[in-house]
Amino acid sequence: DAGITQSPRHKVTETGTPVTLRCHQTENHRYMYWYRQDPGHGLRLIHYSYGVKDTDKGEVSDGYSVSRSKTEDFLLTLESATSSQTSVYFCAISESTDPNEKLFFGSGTQLSVL
Amino acid sequence: SQQGEEDPQALSIQEGENATMNCSYKTSINNLQWYRQNSGRGLVHLILIRSNEREKHSGRLRVTLDTSKKSSSLLITASRAADTASYFCAPSGNTGKLIFGQGTTLQVKP
Repeated sequence: DAGITQSPRHKVTETGTPVTLRCHQTENHRYMYWYRQDPGHGLRLIHYSYGVKDTDKGEVSDGYSVSRSKTEDFLLTLESATSSQTSVYFCAISESTDPNEKLFFGSGTQLSVL
Repeated sequence: SQQGEEDPQALSIQEGENATMNCSYKTSINNLQWYRQNSGRGLVHLILIRSNEREKHSGRLRVTLDTSKKSSSLLITASRAADTASYFCAPSGNTGKLIFGQGTTLQVKP
């Protein structure tokens, strides 16, 4: 199994502050993803990455940016957090050579924006 | 959209019974995957069925795929309390990303 560590696991912040969530993997997998999960919406894709410095937008990318300067780290930044970004954020990697197959998810980050 | 839609939204059964969940989608696919999510945890990949396959088994799981109807079903046989979770389908095409629906919440009563 891929080793994925999301940090922090929980965060409470105030509206307007910047927030960075980190996803770290230990297996050198190429494809990484950030999702958010909200009641009534299921999981929605925010951004994804096909490799170092290769990222693209998902369904709900407004208000979020990402960076991948190393294979093992995929950072999600909320430049100016809003209450609508209160959510559970999941990082995932593809354990396959195909980006569409067999995603492995981290344990999630619970973010509350007050 | 490549998103799958699961049906029913919620399902409650007794331990030992079979549970069937359905997934419909709208676009052509290369494969379709099913995932499970236990409360408070990340999703776990269960099974992948390719577009040229009609049925696939993994332990107590049986997945069928009907590309002509753009639908799939997940059958869990002899369910256990530990199967209580949400189940998501993810149809996969050539877009390079998986889009998940809202899932089916399964409760298995002991």
